[in-house]
Amino acid sequence: EAGVAQSPRYKIIEKRQSVAFWCNPISGHATLYWYQQILGQGPKLLIQFQNNGVVDDSQLPKDRFSAERLKGVDSTLKIQPAKLEDSAVYLCASSLERGGNQPQHFGDGTRLSIL
Amino acid sequence: QKEVEQDPGPLSVPEGAIVSLNCTYSNSAFQYFMWYRQYSRKGPELLMYTYSSGNKEDGRFTAQVDKSSKYISLFIRDSQPSDSATYLCATRVMDTGRRALTFGSGTRLQVQP
Repeated sequence: EAGVAQSPRYKIIEKRQSVAFWCNPISGHATLYWYQQILGQGPKLLIQFQNNGVVDDSQLPKDRFSAERLKGVDSTLKIQPAKLEDSAVYLCASSLERGGNQPQHFGDGTRLSIL
Repeated sequence: QKEVEQDPGPLSVPEGAIVSLNCTYSNSAFQYFMWYRQYSRKGPELLMYTYSSGNKEDGRFTAQVDKSSKYISLFIRDSQPSDSATYLCATRVMDTGRRALTFGSGTRLQVQP
């Protein structure tokens, strides 16, 4: 099966600019996650979608970050305005919606550098 | 204090060695335990997961969980240069709605040929 697709792979912007990332999850996966991975750290959840509804956005900096998942498939994550501390890899993951611990499958991420 | 602690390494071993990677966690609500492997400039790839104390084996990999001491381990037998990567432990609570993974910071492993 095709994996989680993300674009772009790399993005360089100046602080205070805006940026958007796109994610296409594995076909049939109802749950979609955005994680932020800062260099030398493990990924940290930003937001979890169940179909097109938000389940958990408790760690999303809502003053500058926004995300949507239209039609319960693709998702976009936006940062506006960007700060230097937003330099990180933004990972998208998806999982089936069933009982038990359905594994989360990750894309290769978008590497964001803020100048 | 971080919820999941992991030694960042780097850990350098010769080819064929047995590798032991470890994490500790503080939240008793964590019930699922996973190990991910992450190659440079790639996303994390799930290696193993378990929800019970004890050992789970898959080929050269063995995951071990001790809930009483809040300690999780990954053993790699007959390590290969292709095992060189960062290994991330991850946990989550059994809440059926919120499924956020809490990760350790990762241990970088280098297997020397």
